[in-house]
Formats: sequence, C-alpha cells, structure tokens
Amino acid sequence: EIVLTQSPGTLSLSLGERATLSCRASQSVSSRYLAWYQQKPGQAPRLLIYAASSRATGIPDRFSGSGSETDFTLTISRLEPEDFAVYYCQQYGSSSPWTFGQGTKVEI
Amino acid sequence: QLQLQESGPGLVKPSETLSLTCTVSGGSISRSSDYWGWIRQPPGKGLEWIGSIYESGTTYHNPSLKSRVTISVETSKNQFSLKLRSVTVADTAVYYCATHGGGDFWSGRPPAFFDPWGQGTLVTVSS
Repeated sequence: EIVLTQSPGTLSLSLGERATLSCRASQSVSSRYLAWYQQKPGQAPRLLIYAASSRATGIPDRFSGSGSETDFTLTISRLEPEDFAVYYCQQYGSSSPWTFGQGTKVEI
Repeated sequence: QLQLQESGPGLVKPSETLSLTCTVSGGSISRSSDYWGWIRQPPGKGLEWIGSIYESGTTYHNPSLKSRVTISVETSKNQFSLKLRSVTVADTAVYYCATHGGGDFWSGRPPAFFDPWGQGTLVTVSS
C-alpha cells in the first residue's frame, strides 16, 4: 500500500499569506492519480485538484497543484477567510488501493 | 448537478451488520462512466476508502476491509449500497458516498478521484 505523508501537520498563517502544503508518497504515483481535497468542520471533503495540477470545477485560481512521482504540493497563493480548513491528498496505484494522507490543518 | 445522499441507521450493535444506501439524484447511475464509492472518517481522524462499484457490478475493495464488505448497485432505484459485517467500535465513523470518477470503465482505466460527495452520515457502533 502506498502511504502518503503530509506536512506540516498544522500550518499557522495570516490572511493574504501564501500556504504551501506537502504530500510525499512512499512509492512513485502517477500524476493522473493524485488529488487534493478541502474539508471544513462538519462538512464533506471537496475536490480541489485532480491529476496533480488540474483545478476542479468552480475552484478559484489561487489554488494550484504541482509535483510528480513522490513529491506533490498544494499552494494557496493568498489565503482568504474561507480557506482555513483541513486539506488531504489522495492517490491511487496499480498495486495499492486508494489512500489518503493524514491531513494538514491550515489555521489562523 | 449530481447530488448524493446517504441513508441508514445511525446506531448499530457490535457484531451486527452496518447497512447504508446512497441515493443519486441529478443524473443516472447507469448512464455514467464513473464508479460509485464509499469512504469513511472516524471522529477526529482521517479518511479511509472502503470500496467502489460500477453500474455493471464490477467492484474494487480496500483489502483491509474486503472480507467484511459487500457493495451493490440497484440501477432501477439509482442507488448503491454498503454492507459491513461483524462491526466493532472501531467501525464508528462518518460514512460518505461519492462519485468515483476520472477513469474509463470500458478501457480499463481505474477511477482517480472522488467528486461530488454526499453530506455523510454518522454511524455509531455501541451496545
């Protein structure tokens, strides 16, 4: 099973700052199969990024994804009040089920 | 716009079977190239994929749960279901259903991501 390790566990930032979230895989992951989600308290996760760098429908362009093989990054260029949440990366590999990272909390 | 809604008992006794249904609206299960998936989240913890099904009945299962899980689809009702047998307190979680897309069943390309999600339903395992 491919293990995804997200860092940092918590990111404390201010409005307007840039957030950089890391997701490291224990084995190489096809970029087609790397996604990012945002989850706010009491809500279901929402897809932000798929195929490592493609924004989902309706996602603002301040969210961007990058990376390949074992190292992937989600960047929020300028934090808005509604961006404070937990973010998860997720992968699929032919020898591994779909798995999620443990999450990064972005807080004020 | 596709919407998913989970339904089922909120309390299940240990050793019994957890049964949930996901009703899809705004689109047809049988006219989609997507799979349909179940994911759970224990209170205060992360996300765990349980399994996914295509409208033909083809399934993927998480190996850690496979022996206890049955996922089925009922296209006439635009629903798919989850059964988890022999539950313990460790199965207490919010259970989500979601469209499992980004793949292509007919070319054999597995799905990639989950979107959209249902709102989730909390299932507590307790005597």
